[in-house]
Amino acid sequence: GAGVSQTPSNKVTEKGKYVELRCDPISGHTALYWYRQSLGQGPEFLIYFQGTGAADDSGLPNDRFFAVRPEGSVSTLKIQRTERGDSAVYLCASSPESSGYNEQFFGPGTRLTVL
Amino acid sequence: DQQVKQNSPSLSVQEGRISILNCDYTNSMFDYFLWYKKYPAEGPTFLISISSIKDKNEDGRFTVFLNKSAKHLSLHIVPSQPGDSAVYFCAASPNTGNQFYFGTGTSLTVIP
Repeated sequence: GAGVSQTPSNKVTEKGKYVELRCDPISGHTALYWYRQSLGQGPEFLIYFQGTGAADDSGLPNDRFFAVRPEGSVSTLKIQRTERGDSAVYLCASSPESSGYNEQFFGPGTRLTVL
Repeated sequence: DQQVKQNSPSLSVQEGRISILNCDYTNSMFDYFLWYKKYPAEGPTFLISISSIKDKNEDGRFTVFLNKSAKHLSLHIVPSQPGDSAVYFCAASPNTGNQFYFGTGTSLTVIP
């Protein structure tokens, strides 16, 4: 079946611009996660959705970052006034209730470059 | 503050030998641990997991060992195969469905 997909695969933007990154989770997965991976680091938790609601957004670095999941499926990560330090690979993962939400299926990521 | 640490950034092993990847954590509230494998330009893929009520979990060539008193886990791959060459991340969670904390990864190269 189809896995987690993320679009775009690459995004280059200028400092100060607004960007949106999209995640399509595996159908039926109620949990959805966003992570950020900088060069040489492991994925860093940003936010976790259970259904439509953000169950834990403690990883969002500041108020320039916001994420939504209005219908409990597709999610969009929004970054305002981008900074060069936002450059990273943004990973999305989804998880089914059947695994107790312990197994996460990752998408290929969106590589964001802020010039 | 890195709560999950993988102190070896890289490891090279001959094909057929055992690969041992190590991971240390600091948070005693972690009770679920996972290993992920990542190829370039792909997202991490789940490999094997272990809960804190166990000290060993085995799946084919992959075995994870957990030493709670030392806050240490390891992944053993035996026999190692060239297709195992990838970056391996360990991750830990304090409870089900919550955020996972990842290590910085170990790049494994299996030499044919």
